[in-house]
Amino acid sequence: KAGVTQTPRYLIKTRGQQVTLSCSPISGHRSVSWYQQTPGQGLQFLFEYFSETQRNKGNFPGRFSGRQFSNSRSEMNVSTLELGDSALYLCASSLGGKDEQYFGPGTRLTVT
Amino acid sequence: QKEVEQNSGPLSVPEGAIASLNCTYSDRGSQSFFWYRQYSGKSPELIMSIYSNGDKEDGRFTAQLNKASQYVSLLIRDSQPSDSATYLCAVLTNQAGTALIFGKGTTLSVSS
Repeated sequence: KAGVTQTPRYLIKTRGQQVTLSCSPISGHRSVSWYQQTPGQGLQFLFEYFSETQRNKGNFPGRFSGRQFSNSRSEMNVSTLELGDSALYLCASSLGGKDEQYFGPGTRLTVT
Repeated sequence: QKEVEQNSGPLSVPEGAIASLNCTYSDRGSQSFFWYRQYSGKSPELIMSIYSNGDKEDGRFTAQLNKASQYVSLLIRDSQPSDSATYLCAVLTNQAGTALIFGKGTTLSVSS
């Protein structure tokens, strides 16, 4: 069974721009969660989608948003990029959310 | 008090030794506990999950959970240089729902 895939793997953007990241979960998994990983803050939860609905949200500003499609694929959008948004963005999929979560390879975002 | 705490390390063990990694959590109602391994520059890889008190063994890995003490640990037997990585403890808490709460990770170094 194929694992979680994320595109693109690397991105360089300029402050003020916006970016969209994509995640395809493991086949049959309906829950997709997004995390941000930075050296200082570690892994922090952004939000979780299940059946096209945002079911849970972390403590991030409204510039961070997402959505999920009927095939469970998910996108994450960050608007008005700031230097502090430079991070590894990780997508994780699970069957229902409250079980084992499997991570994709991540998207490395650099904001200059 | 942080929700999930781990010693940052580094924890250094010789090849063939037992590595013991520890994690404490603050939400007494937490039900699900996970250990992830993360190699430098890579995404977290799920290696163990544990849901009830006691030990759970999988190959060279043993996870131990003590809910009364709010403590979960990971033992790696016959440590190999390829085990050198950062080990992340993650918890699903009642308060956070489907959001994994991560510790900052313990760096393990296995010397040959």
